[in-house]
Formats: sequence, C-alpha cells, structure tokens
Amino acid sequence: QKEVEQNSGPLSVPEGAIASLNCTYSDRGSQSFFWYRQYSGKSPELIMSIYSNGDKEDGRFTAQLNKASQYVSLLIRDSQPSDSATYLCAGLTGGGNKLTFGTGTQLKVEL
Amino acid sequence: EAGVAQSPRYKIIEKRQSVAFWCNPISGHATLYWYQQILGQGPKLLIQFQNNGVVDDSQLPKDRFSAERLKGVDSTLKIQPAKLEDSAVYLCASSLGLPTYEQYFGPGTRLTVT
Repeated sequence: QKEVEQNSGPLSVPEGAIASLNCTYSDRGSQSFFWYRQYSGKSPELIMSIYSNGDKEDGRFTAQLNKASQYVSLLIRDSQPSDSATYLCAGLTGGGNKLTFGTGTQLKVEL
Repeated sequence: EAGVAQSPRYKIIEKRQSVAFWCNPISGHATLYWYQQILGQGPKLLIQFQNNGVVDDSQLPKDRFSAERLKGVDSTLKIQPAKLEDSAVYLCASSLGLPTYEQYFGPGTRLTVT
C-alpha cells in the first residue's frame, strides 16, 4: 500500500464549477499535509498546508483534513482554465519532516 | 525573497557519463532536500540535509549517487555513472523546518540519459 494515494485522473470540470481533489494516507502518525500545484514542465508550487482536523480556506482554495478517516481533500471554487495542472498531495511522515508525495491528480478545467 | 536556485536547467548525457547538479536554497533555510521526479509520478526523496548533516538518504542509490552540502548552504548532487533509468527531473527544495515544515522547490534540472 502506498503511503499517500491519489486518483491520477484526469478530472475534468467546467469553468466556474467546484473541483474536488482527494487523497488518502496510510501512516496514522502523519500530522501535516500539503497540496502542491504543478504545471506541465514546471516544478511543484505550494498552495495549501493543513495541520489539524477540519477545513482551512485560502481564497478559492479549501483544504480539508479528516485524521480519523485518513483523508485529505482540496476544493477549488470557481475553477478557471488557469487551474488546469497536476495537484500533488503530500504528507509529513517518518516521524517528522520527511515529505511523502502521492502521484498527483491531473485537473482539466474546460471552457 | 529569492527562491531556490538550481543549475543547470537541462542536461543531456550518455549512459555511463557523470553529471552534477547544483542547488542554492532560500536564505536561512537549514533543511535542504533533493528529489527525483519521473514523468507521471510524484517527487521521490533522495536525500535530506539539516545544515551540513545528512538526515535521510535511505532512498539514495549510493553506488552511483552522491550528494554534499558544504558550509550548510549550497548543495551538489552527482551521478556517476549514469544509467538510462536516471532520466528524470531532479528537484531541490528547502525548508525552515519548525513549525510548518513547508518545503519550497526550485525550478528543477531535467536530465536525459541516452
């Protein structure tokens, strides 16, 4: 079982819709989670961090963490074509500061 | 604030040749990471430095890969000899560590081994 799992997609949503990206993890010791956006040919860019159960909102982005279900999600409201990218979920594992990434979900926002 | 710098951005070499990558982290970031990202996969940690010391190199193929971080700032990653399967993007990231452990990536080096 992979430590951090994501559906590879592609996930297609129409412009203006809500995109929901999901991630599950196996290490119950993981405390912190991060969402990175990666455009084709570019490096990952940190967009959200979440450290406790519940929701965290930043602009059009909302990260959700449910430690009991070992589940992390990212919601993107009012999706724009510029949001089309691969979204990587990552969790801090190994007792502290080792970041383990999922394989990423490709998001396509269609006009 | 300047981001993580890496060079070169692209490199093409033949198998069995050697190659080196350079990284300069964000100023003040004590922790530096090297990742390998193969197309279609998430980044995989190769080695983690805390200042000058190695914290984790469990996934570094030590028979061919080496890395150092002299003076706790810049770092170099070397591959010798390269294999076809080393074709990937090599990403450097840095972090302040506590309390957020947020990592910030450089632009990466795309390596093609022919």
